[in-house]
This record gives sequence, structure tokens and C-alpha cells, in this order.
Amino acid sequence: AQKVTQAQTEISVVEKEDVTLDCVYETRDTTYYLFWYKQPPSGELVFLIRRNSFDEQNEISGRYSWNFQKSTSSFNFTITASQVVDSAVYFCALSELFSWGKLQFGAGTQVVVTP
Amino acid sequence: DVKVTQSSRYLVKRTGEKVFLECVQDMDHENMFWYRQDPGLGLRLIYFSYDVKMKEKGDIPEGYSVSREKKERFSLILESASTNQTSMYLCATVADPGPYNSPLHFGNGTRLTVT
Repeated sequence: AQKVTQAQTEISVVEKEDVTLDCVYETRDTTYYLFWYKQPPSGELVFLIRRNSFDEQNEISGRYSWNFQKSTSSFNFTITASQVVDSAVYFCALSELFSWGKLQFGAGTQVVVTP
Repeated sequence: DVKVTQSSRYLVKRTGEKVFLECVQDMDHENMFWYRQDPGLGLRLIYFSYDVKMKEKGDIPEGYSVSREKKERFSLILESASTNQTSMYLCATVADPGPYNSPLHFGNGTRLTVT
């Protein structure tokens, strides 16, 4: 069975600090996809990134970066120089190949950025 | 841009009532999903549909049913609402992605309270 663990329930930082969100997953599949979503206070989940299990390259998008390590089954997310607009709940999720929308989500991590 | 619209943002219903949650998408996508979100549990899949008239159970289908009479509309039905169904309900859609597991596009959610 698939499982995603986000051990950090809430992280509070002051603006401009870096924050790293941990995501550890379990799966018996050799091919799978990992996702990160952001849920701001408005409620709508916003897709941030998708990574397949064959691509272990780290990715950077502006202030966001992701570190995928298959050896430790982790897909961690770092926000550099955090801003108040980064305050949200962040979800890590896992899906099988061809699962087409059937995702296994972690419990989410609440990030609070104060000025 | 994909738009997924959930008809109600907030709903309050009484125990035993039959409740309909409506979701409409405007992108002609085949695949639609209903998730519920609870603190500490993340999002869990209730039901999904890959085509009109077709429905499949997700991880937590008990107490729910769905209807998909038209491609753009996917309804979640609580046959007899109970207090443990108080939750945030999120509708999502994804285009037929081939092998690449396209990301989900979510609606804003319906916060249902059953008293």
C-alpha cells in the first residue's frame, strides 16, 4: 500500500527565513509520481510540481526548490527567503503510473510566515 | 485555464438529510474526482469517474454515492448525512494524460457541517 508522511504539522518562520518541508513516502511500485500542492487560506489547492520516479534531478523554480532522493524515499520542498504570501498548507502526494488522479496525500504541513 | 466550480462554499445540514454536492468543470475533461479533507488526515479519495455514467469507489466510499449524467458535472451524494461527514469536500478534474499523470485541478471546496 502507498503511504505519504509529512511529519511536520506546522512550521512558523519569520519573513526571509528559509523553510524546508519534509515528505517521506512508501510504495512498492517501481514507477510512480510525486506531487506538491499548496492550499492558501482561500482553500483551492494549487499544483506546484510533479516528479516521476525516474527523474531524480533536483528542481528549482524561483524561490521554490525540491530535493528528490529515491534512496531515502523522500521528496522535500524548500522555500527560500519566505514571504507572507507563502503562508499556506502544503501537501505532498504520491500516485501510481496510469492512476490518473488517484493520489495518496500526506496530512499536510501548515506554514506560517510572519512579517 | 481549467475552471472547476463547486456550487456551494458552505453548507449546513441536519443529520439524516440527503445532501447533494455539485461540481462542474469547463474543460471537457473525462476524469473527475471527489476528495474529502480532514485535519491530520490530508485528502482522501471518495469516488471518481473516468467517463459519463461510469463511477468507481475510492478509498472511503462508505456513506456516499455519485452521479455523472453529463461529462461536465459530477455530483457527490450523502444518502443520509451523519455528523462524521462534517468535512471539506474537494472536487477535482484531470485531462486524459497518457502515461504522464497530469496534475489535478481542484475546485474551491465545499465546507459541509452536519448537525
